[in-house]
Formats: sequence, C-alpha cells, structure tokens
Amino acid sequence: DQQVKQNSPSLSVQEGRISILNCDYTNSMFDYFLWYKKYPAEGPTFLISISSIKDKNEDGRFTVFLNKSAKHLSLHIVPSQPGDSAVYFCAASPFLTNAGKSTFGDGTTLTVKP
Amino acid sequence: NAGVTQTPKFQVLKTGQSMTLQCAQDMNHEYMSWYRQDPGMGLRLIHYSVGAGITDQGEVPNGYNVSRSTTEDFPLRLLSAAPSQTSVYFCASSETGGGSTEAFFGQGTRLTVV
Repeated sequence: DQQVKQNSPSLSVQEGRISILNCDYTNSMFDYFLWYKKYPAEGPTFLISISSIKDKNEDGRFTVFLNKSAKHLSLHIVPSQPGDSAVYFCAASPFLTNAGKSTFGDGTTLTVKP
Repeated sequence: NAGVTQTPKFQVLKTGQSMTLQCAQDMNHEYMSWYRQDPGMGLRLIHYSVGAGITDQGEVPNGYNVSRSTTEDFPLRLLSAAPSQTSVYFCASSETGGGSTEAFFGQGTRLTVV
C-alpha cells in the first residue's frame, strides 16, 4: 500500500500562471512533509517543507498547504516559470524521524510552457 | 563545498557480478541514506545510517550491504547483481536529529544489470 500518493503523473501550465501539485498520504504518523525538485540526470533538491503544526508555509513563489484532516497537501507555484519544469516529489516522515528516512511519492512532471 | 558525491555516474554489470557504489559527503552530516529510483516511481529507501558504525535497513534492503566506518563515507555494496537491481541509486545526507531537516542528494548512479 503506497503511503504517499501523487495522483497526477504530469501537469502542463502556461508561463506566468499558477501550478498546483497535489499529494495525498495515508499514514497518520506522518508529521513532516517536504517537496523536492528534480531535473534530469541530477539528484533531487529540497524545495520547501511544512510541519503538521502549520497549515501553510511560503517561500517566495512557492507555497505549501497542508490539510491534516484530509491527509492532503499541495504545492503552489506562482507565477510559474519555464525553469520550474522538472519532476516534483512529495515526501513525508513521522514525528522525530530524520528527513533522510522519508517516504516518497512517485512524482509529478511539471512542464511550464513559454 | 562539494556536498554529496557519488561515483560512478554510470555502470553496467553482468548478472552475478558484485560492485560497490561510493558516496561521500563533506557537510559533516551524521545521517546518510541510500535510495533507489525505478522508472516512473518515487525513491525507495534501501539502507540508512545514523552515524559511524551504525546502519539499519530501509524498505528494500535485500541484495545490498552497507557499512559506515567514517562520518564522510557510506558505500553501498551489491553482492550478486540481478536485473531487478537495474535502477538509479541516490545517496543522501542530512543533519542529525528527528523530524525537520532536509536531505541533500548526490547526482545519482545509473546502474544497468544485464
């Protein structure tokens, strides 16, 4: 049973518009959530995170929203830029578990068209 | 800082051969981990280490060994390569502690077993 699910394998948006990437989880023990961005032939790089004590975290163009009751989080990118085109992974870890031991979703490939 | 360095970047093995994937980090991180990524899937944890001399199994440990003799290095050994181990392998490091830290990833090793 997959504990972290990204149900949209791909998403295409126009430059300047909003990109919304979604992630659902099933494990109630997950307490900390991260988004990673991955370009081809590179390793994932950390983008933004959120703790379960918050429902929103913002960093520049990137905002992550957490709905604990629905076990759902989303990443908003506004405005989207062509350089944002990459694979985005949602990851989760339980309370007091190191982020190096996260459970990952399968990723969503974002394409931002100029 | 080089961050997390993985060698080699590419490798082709014959079934039954053994090899070691190297991983080194220069950030003085205590926590290191190995993931594999299969096509269209997320990263799955193979083994992790919370410090020199301490290792433990992740989600998919079978067919792999690890050791951690120094803080900097965390090699992954394939004992007898099988085609099912064809994958991209990522090493990651993160600061010690539970919960809220990001993981830093290497560029990956693309392994093909024929």
